[in-house]
Amino acid sequence: SYELTQPPSVSVSPGQTATITCSGDKLGEKYASWYQQKPGQSPVMVIFQDTKRPSGIPERFSGSNSGNTAALTISGTQAIDEADYYCQAWDSDTAIFGGGTKLTVL
Amino acid sequence: QVQLQQWGAGLLKPSETLSLTCAVYGGSFSGYYWSWIRQSPKKGLEWIGEINHNGVTHYNPSLKSRVTISEDTSKKQFSLRLRSVTAADTAVYYCARGRAMSVAGVGFDPWGQGTLVTVSS
Repeated sequence: SYELTQPPSVSVSPGQTATITCSGDKLGEKYASWYQQKPGQSPVMVIFQDTKRPSGIPERFSGSNSGNTAALTISGTQAIDEADYYCQAWDSDTAIFGGGTKLTVL
Repeated sequence: QVQLQQWGAGLLKPSETLSLTCAVYGGSFSGYYWSWIRQSPKKGLEWIGEINHNGVTHYNPSLKSRVTISEDTSKKQFSLRLRSVTAADTAVYYCARGRAMSVAGVGFDPWGQGTLVTVSS
């Protein structure tokens, strides 16, 4: 079965750039989406179709997808960005999620 | 703006059937697939399955034998039934608007508020 692999944790200093990766076989041939989840809340989509931001998502969130790796980049990271982040793609008619990455802003 | 509200029993005994319903407010029920997703500390986010307004369903192969997703388009609601639950099915269950039928790559947005379902004897 198809798998998406994320690093368990990423740390970043305020104002710096955070990059969270998501790897899967030929992931670049699929669309990737990214979700942010804060404690006690439902996930919120921050990137879809690899690079697009939903309405209301700050411009500091951007995405890319090529080869076997998709990436979520947060520029000028703020304390409010501390959360768990999940990547997601479709394999045939099955949605697959990555294991999640805890972003710590310190 | 589309909003989802879900409800259902939160405490089940082993072998019982989990039943949840999600209502769609503020948007069209057609043109999208509507999904159920669960989250547990052990398995993370796990997609359960989806349904569209025509009743077409797709299920996660790992759960397919126990899952039924149905819809009531007149009420703009869709429901999840998971049979023969065990402690491994303990999780927070979410409903979400999923992929668009005419556009690829649209993610899950929005999500319901989540329902904690605990399976315990």
